[in-house]
Amino acid sequence: DTGVSQDPRHKITKRGQNVTFRCDPISEHNRLYWYRQTLGQGPEFLTYFQNEAQLEKSRLLSDRFSAERPKGSFSTLEIQRTEQGDSAMYLCASRLGQEDSPLHFGNGTRLTVT
Amino acid sequence: DQQVKQNSPSLSVQEGRISILNCDYTNSMFDYFLWYKKYPAEGPTFLISISSIKDKNEDGRFTVFLNKSAKHLSLHIVPSQPGDSAVYFCAASALFTGGGNKLTFGTGTQLKVEL
Repeated sequence: DTGVSQDPRHKITKRGQNVTFRCDPISEHNRLYWYRQTLGQGPEFLTYFQNEAQLEKSRLLSDRFSAERPKGSFSTLEIQRTEQGDSAMYLCASRLGQEDSPLHFGNGTRLTVT
Repeated sequence: DQQVKQNSPSLSVQEGRISILNCDYTNSMFDYFLWYKKYPAEGPTFLISISSIKDKNEDGRFTVFLNKSAKHLSLHIVPSQPGDSAVYFCAASALFTGGGNKLTFGTGTQLKVEL
């Protein structure tokens, strides 16, 4: 168990640019999640995958956001035309398929949009 | 609409004493509750969970109590240790009604355990 890995750890970008984050889940976990956390708040659900299928998306996930998990392993989260309000910590998590298994989080990607 | 509330942003406790962190929820569909601990620059780490069919779950120094009628849960840490200093998040889901893939988190409580 090497844990959930996220890359990069930090990203600074200018408003209007596109950014892409990568998440490598724990290898035997078939469910993968993206959350966003802003200062003083708890993590907020964005989307989740079961294997390669994206099964649920939050209304927080605007059209500028897209997530993929093409082979059911790693996942990418892309934000197009970034806005200052996108500045946040983006957390990836994974878990086993058993319904009451807990989420295991990565250390996140901190995005700063200037 | 904050469905999971942690009304104490911070708590300070002496080493060796009990830490009690509280959480309230408003959504009556929630039936599975978890506590996570978060150190700076790290992701949240799972601590302990409880389902609505129980009112208590214990794991070592950590005990979670659930009061369904009051829609309230608490995390007890006994004895508290300096390494417990972190932000603690309460989270909830509607696991048994198909909502288990979406956790709703509270805003967190910063625990400081002093020597």
